[in-house]
Amino acid sequence: AQKITQTQPGMFVQEKEAVTLDCTYDTSDQSYGLFWYKQPSSGEMIFLIYQGSYDEQNATEGRYSLNFQKARKSANLVISASQLGDSAMYFCAMRESRSGTYKYIFGTGTRLKVLA
Amino acid sequence: NAGVTQTPKFQVLKTGQSMTLQCAQDMNHNSMYWYRQDPGMGLRLIYYSASEGTTDKGEVPNGYNVSRLNKREFSLRLESAAPSQTSVYFCASSEEGELFFGEGSRLTVL
Repeated sequence: AQKITQTQPGMFVQEKEAVTLDCTYDTSDQSYGLFWYKQPSSGEMIFLIYQGSYDEQNATEGRYSLNFQKARKSANLVISASQLGDSAMYFCAMRESRSGTYKYIFGTGTRLKVLA
Repeated sequence: NAGVTQTPKFQVLKTGQSMTLQCAQDMNHNSMYWYRQDPGMGLRLIYYSASEGTTDKGEVPNGYNVSRLNKREFSLRLESAAPSQTSVYFCASSEEGELFFGEGSRLTVL
């Protein structure tokens, strides 16, 4: 069965430093997608970045980059130059194709706290 | 720019009562989803729907029913609420890309 694992329940990082949030996945599919979402304390889910399984380059979106290592089945999120506003819960998710539609499965999340 | 709209935002129920969470999207997406979020558990998929009239079970479907009456709307029903169903519920939609989420519905079952 497909599975997403986030092994870091909580992380601290100093403001302006970079931080890596870990995500590993398990799937037998060749075609899949990997996503990261941010959930601030206000509760909404904010899409950050996407990586397709066939993409050869690591995805980047501003200060966010996705370190995709296909052989290791890992899709770590790197946040550069952390800001206080980055303090939030972060979820890794995987999309697989099932019965003509897409199914999205989430990890348990990592709570990031940025320190001033 | 409503996106995905969920109602109600908050609800308190007594054990055994029934209720329906409503979800509507205005992005013309085919696929819609219901998740529940519990502390330490992440988001778990309850049911999803590829198109009008079709639904599939997710990871935690027990105790829930869904209806996809048209392309826009996907409702989640609790027929006999239990305290274990106390959670935050999210509806989402997509068209192959990222999921677009509603603001969430906080449900408490006493």
